[in-house]
Amino acid sequence: TQLLEQSPQFLSIQEGENLTVYCNSSSVFSSLQWYRQEPGEGPVLLVTVVTGGEVKKLKRLTFQFGDARKDSSLHITAAQTGDTGLYLCAGSPADRGSTLGRLYFGRGTQLTVWP
Amino acid sequence: DTGVSQNPRHKITKRGQNVTFRCDPISEHNRLYWYRQTLGQGPEFLTYFQNEAQLEKSRLLSDRFSAERPKGSFSTLEIQRTEQGDSAMYLCASSPGTGLPLAGNTIYFGEGSWLTVV
Repeated sequence: TQLLEQSPQFLSIQEGENLTVYCNSSSVFSSLQWYRQEPGEGPVLLVTVVTGGEVKKLKRLTFQFGDARKDSSLHITAAQTGDTGLYLCAGSPADRGSTLGRLYFGRGTQLTVWP
Repeated sequence: DTGVSQNPRHKITKRGQNVTFRCDPISEHNRLYWYRQTLGQGPEFLTYFQNEAQLEKSRLLSDRFSAERPKGSFSTLEIQRTEQGDSAMYLCASSPGTGLPLAGNTIYFGEGSWLTVV
C-alpha cells in the first residue's frame, strides 16, 4: 500500500479550466513537497509545505497543507498547456525519525492540458 | 549549470551484465540519495549518504545493488547480474543539510539514468 495516495491518477482538461489534485495519507507528515516531472526528466520541486493549514501560492498554483498534516492539495487556476506533466507529492512521515531525509512519493497525477 | 548531474543518461544492457551509474551532486551538498522510478509509479527510495557514510538502504536494494560515495562527493550505483525487472529510471538527488527535508533543506533531483535490460 502507498503511504501517500494521489487522486485522480489521470486528468485531461482544456486550457483555461481549473483543477485540483489531492494527496492523502493516514500518517502525519513533517512536511510535504510537490514536484512536477516531465517525460524522461527528474522531478522538479514546486513547493514545500511545513505548517498544518499552510497555504502557498506560486503564480496560478495554490498549495494547501491539511490542518492535521495528513493531506495536501494542489489547485491550478486557468490551466495552460505548459502545465502538462506528472505532479507528485512526497514527504517524510513524522513518526519515522530514523529515516531522516528519505522521501515517500505518491504515484502521481498525470495532467494533460489541451489547447 | 551546477545541478545534479547523472550519467549515462541511457543504458541498454543484456540480462546478466553489470552496469554502473554515476552521480555528481550539487557542490557542497552533504546528502546524496538514489531513487528508482518505473513507469506509472512515483520514485522509490533506494539509499542515501551523509557525506561518505551510507546511512540507510531500502529493502529494494538487493545484494546485486551496491552504492558508494568514497570521498563524500560523487556517487556510483552498480547493478550486478542485471535482470529485466531492473529496467527503470535511476534518479540521484542531493540536499545541503543534515535535518529533515524542510524548506531549508530542499532535495534536488538529477535528470535520471534510464536502464533497459533486454
